[in-house]
Amino acid sequence: SQKIEQNSEALNIQEGKTATLTCNYTNYSPAYLQWYRQDPGRGPVFLLLIRENEKEKRKERLKVTFDTTLKQSLFHITASQPADSATYLCALDENTGFQKLVFGTGTRLLVSP
Amino acid sequence: EAQVTQNPRYLITVTGKKLTVTCSQNMNHEYMSWYRQDPGLGLRQIYYSMNVEVTDKGDVPEGYKVSRKEKRNFPLILESPSPNQTSLYFCASTLGRANTGELFFGEGSRLTVL
Repeated sequence: SQKIEQNSEALNIQEGKTATLTCNYTNYSPAYLQWYRQDPGRGPVFLLLIRENEKEKRKERLKVTFDTTLKQSLFHITASQPADSATYLCALDENTGFQKLVFGTGTRLLVSP
Repeated sequence: EAQVTQNPRYLITVTGKKLTVTCSQNMNHEYMSWYRQDPGLGLRQIYYSMNVEVTDKGDVPEGYKVSRKEKRNFPLILESPSPNQTSLYFCASTLGRANTGELFFGEGSRLTVL
């Protein structure tokens, strides 16, 4: 069966450290993968997109990698800040010919001062 | 300001009382969709629309209806709500695959069915 897995346990790190979140998937062949941030009671907000032919993408303190062999994406936040505390969702394109994103359940990140 | 607007944001209703959650976007997006979010299950797509008068079922369409009579609006209709439809609902829109495929989400509508 098709699955997208993100660590359901919260990730606690100290301010200034690098946070690394994992997204694993099975039985999908996505054309691209996206990462979203969601704050409590709010809608998800798009952060980054990485395509299947890209190994790495960066945006300010954010970095995403995409390994189609391992079927895994890693999401890094460097020099993390308490304001980075949120739930981070990965979403992949089902690659069925039109826009169909399937979401993981998200990982909650807590950055302590 | 580019946005997706949902109403109501919060609603408590009773089983069987028809309700509509409205969604409107001001970005001229062709693609719109509805998701529900439940603890441990993540975001699941209910219905989507690729353009005016073009709608199709997502992964969990049972108990819901949609319509797309205008490009900017995509209401979600619960004809006879049941307690298992208690959830947090999100409307989203996008230009589609040709662009980044980035989804723009509304702020959510928290629905409780008693």
